Formats: sequence, structure tokens, C-alpha cells
Amino acid sequence: GESVGLHLPTLSVQEGDNSIINCAYSNSASDYFIWYKQESGKGPQFIIDIRSNMDKRQGQRVTVLLNKTVKHLSLQIAATQPGDSAVYFCAERPYNNNDMRFGAGTRLTVKP
Amino acid sequence: DVKVTQSSRYLVKRTGEKVFLECVQDMDHENMFWYRQDPGLGLRLIYFSYDVKMKEKGDIPEGYSVSREKKERFSLILESASTNQTSMYLCASSNPGYEQYFGPGTRLTVT
Repeated sequence: GESVGLHLPTLSVQEGDNSIINCAYSNSASDYFIWYKQESGKGPQFIIDIRSNMDKRQGQRVTVLLNKTVKHLSLQIAATQPGDSAVYFCAERPYNNNDMRFGAGTRLTVKP
Repeated sequence: DVKVTQSSRYLVKRTGEKVFLECVQDMDHENMFWYRQDPGLGLRLIYFSYDVKMKEKGDIPEGYSVSREKKERFSLILESASTNQTSMYLCASSNPGYEQYFGPGTRLTVT
């Protein structure tokens, strides 16, 4: 069946380095994608989104890239800080649906 | 700021008890959702609602029911709690086609 997945369950980076978190999706009908951050004991928090008519979108220190050809989504965090340590989820919305499909998450650890 | 609140952060119930989890959002969102989150399984959709008194089953509706009598409030009901319903429960709301905003979660333990 269709699924949203992540390439790596954990990622460890040095403070100040750039982080890249990857996500593969298999539903070619998906037209909306979101990255969420979840800190321990909290609900997921919206970071950035992108629609299928775009291939790149930038926010504050974050960039989302969408490659529809290979059904791949990535989140880039510039100058990673200790406060970025969290679990990051990608989510996709199949076209004309109200609900989202979430990946299992990648745990990002930032080493001082 | 959008605010989604859940009635309890931690809850301990006994097997067979009826459990109510309440969720309230203050942004006049049309859609509301209930998920459960388990290690290694990510977020799984239990039910969602796209309007008052409307509901749709998600991926894992068995053992759960929902109620949406008012636009801002979406309740999840466990008719007879079982130990395999021990989990983190997350409520979310959104407008159609836009990001979901999540509450802080309720960690439910069924003993």
C-alpha cells in the first residue's frame, strides 16, 4: 500500500553544522507536504510546508525540497542548534483528502 | 496563535472503564482529528471530523468512537478501555488544505 517513510530513524549532528532529514513517499497523488517537529512530551509542531507545484521553499533556517520525480522530500536545517533536537516527521496529503499520512519520524540529536 | 487544548496530560484508567478524551480548538477550524502515537508506529489516524456532527473513520477506529456537537470541540471515547489502548493520544485541527495544529497530547495508561 501507499506509505510515507523515512530513510534513517536517527541522525546525530554537531552544533553549528547543517542537518538534512529525508523522507520518501509513494503516493504520487499527494499534493501537499508538511514537516513537523516534536519535542519530548509535546505535540508535533508545524515547521514548514510545500505544495506539489513547488520544488523548494525556505523558512527561517529551514528549507524543504520536493522531488516529485523520485517522490522524495527533505528538510534542511541550517546551523543546527541544541534546541533543534527533536523528532521530525514528514506528512503527506493525498489529493482531495482531508487527512494527512505521517512518517514514523527521525530523531535528531545535536551534539555540543 | 492557534491553540489546541486537551483535557488531560496524563490519565490512568482500569480495563473496562469508559474513557472520555476532550479536545478544544480556538481557531474556528473546520477539521478536527484524533491520532494515537506509539513507538515505531508513528501517528495513526483514529477518526476525523470535517464538520459538526460529521465523522469519518481513520485507519484504526476499532474500539473508539467520537463526538462533535460543537465546532470547537471533538471528543474521543473509549467505550471499554483495554490495555492495548495504552498510548499517547493527539488531537489536531485544521482548515481544509492547510497544516494541522496539534494539542500537547494525553498519555493514557490502561491497567
